[in-house]
Amino acid sequence: NAGVTQTPKFQVLKTGQSMTLQCAQDMNHNSMYWYRQDPGMGLRLIYYSASEGTTDKGEVPNGYNVSRLNKREFSLRLESAAPSQTSVYFCASSFTLGLAGGMGPYEQFFGPGTRLTVL
Amino acid sequence: AQSVTQLDSQVPVFEEAPVELRCNYSSSVSVYLFWYVQYPNQGLQLLLKYLSGSTLVESINGFEAEFNKSQTSFHLRKPSVHISDTAEYFCAVSGGSYIPTFGRGTSLIVHP
Repeated sequence: NAGVTQTPKFQVLKTGQSMTLQCAQDMNHNSMYWYRQDPGMGLRLIYYSASEGTTDKGEVPNGYNVSRLNKREFSLRLESAAPSQTSVYFCASSFTLGLAGGMGPYEQFFGPGTRLTVL
Repeated sequence: AQSVTQLDSQVPVFEEAPVELRCNYSSSVSVYLFWYVQYPNQGLQLLLKYLSGSTLVESINGFEAEFNKSQTSFHLRKPSVHISDTAEYFCAVSGGSYIPTFGRGTSLIVHP
């Protein structure tokens, strides 16, 4: 049981380059999330997916796109990277309130992160 | 709308001393509260949570937090810290939706 996995772990891009961050979970969770973490800013939600086939913007979506490929996988794409996107990116997953039975909301499980530098 | 304020960005403390990490929240609906811990170069992991029932919740490694509705607080405490508790701690609140709002984090630094 790997939990939440992310690739790559590290990446250096030049301004204007594109890349896709990959995330997968094996816990049968409905919901998946992408966050960025910057010093002194905590975690800020970029995009989330409540269930397979749906995606919604979070607090800081500009410059990013996402794809919920299937129930397990949720990718984050930077089409034209900018230095302001230098950050640590975390993927997370959880069950969704009301959909998995029992009490919620449910805790989020986080991946190990991708450290991205844009020069 | 919901928000979380972690009142201290950094808390230095000596080993075996008690510690309190403060968290205040605001929400227009009933809340669920969480503390997550992030060890260096790792992702976040759940430390403890309050959903309902007893207002005092405990973790397996000696931390506890008390939900105080009147003061809208969920402070995290440990009576005696270890070097291994050095980490970043995040308070999070979830209200009407299942999507939590995170505080900016408190860096706990335990000195020998």
